[in-house]
Amino acid sequence: DADVTQTPRNRITKTGKRIMLECSQTKGHDRMYWYRQDPGLGLRLIYYSFDVKDINKGEISDGYSVSRQAQAKFSLSLESAIPNQTALYFCATSDARTGLDQPQHFGDGTRLSIL
Amino acid sequence: EDKVVQSPLSLVVHEGDTVTLNCSYEVTNFRSLLWYKQEKKAPTFLFMLTSSGIEKKSGRLSSILDKKELFSILNITATQTGDSAIYLCAVEAGWANNLFFGTGTRLTVIP
Repeated sequence: DADVTQTPRNRITKTGKRIMLECSQTKGHDRMYWYRQDPGLGLRLIYYSFDVKDINKGEISDGYSVSRQAQAKFSLSLESAIPNQTALYFCATSDARTGLDQPQHFGDGTRLSIL
Repeated sequence: EDKVVQSPLSLVVHEGDTVTLNCSYEVTNFRSLLWYKQEKKAPTFLFMLTSSGIEKKSGRLSSILDKKELFSILNITATQTGDSAIYLCAVEAGWANNLFFGTGTRLTVIP
């Protein structure tokens, strides 16, 4: 299984601050994803990347940006945080190199609270 | 619009009961359906289903997909308190094969 590490695990910050969430993985998977999870809404895709420097918008990308400068790392930024971005954020990875169907593997999440 | 609907939203059972969780979907370019279990942290992978009518089993858990009727079920037999979790259904679809998640079913197993 992919070892997907998210930092920080918890963060409390104020409206208007810039926040960066980091994700790193050790299995060499090519694809990486950022989701947010809100009660009653399930997981929703923010951004995804199929390779280094490849960036694609997901369902809810407004207010977020990402960077994939290395295969193992995918960071999510909130340029000016707002309270409705309070949520549980997950990073996930998957391996598409084999051409076979492979599941996404998730990190433990970052709980972000914006006051 | 791609949609994944899970039912029930929550369920409380006693240890030893059998439960069936439901997932229906409407998506473009279906590729696979996945079940995940989420306790306090990361969703953990349970099953990936791509073909209709082929049951996948892992211990007391099993799942099957019906691509004609666009649904899947997840069965858990002889439930234990450790089965208490949110069970997420996700469908891989669209041109980029992204995952579309349902809102989950919260299962509580009481002793």
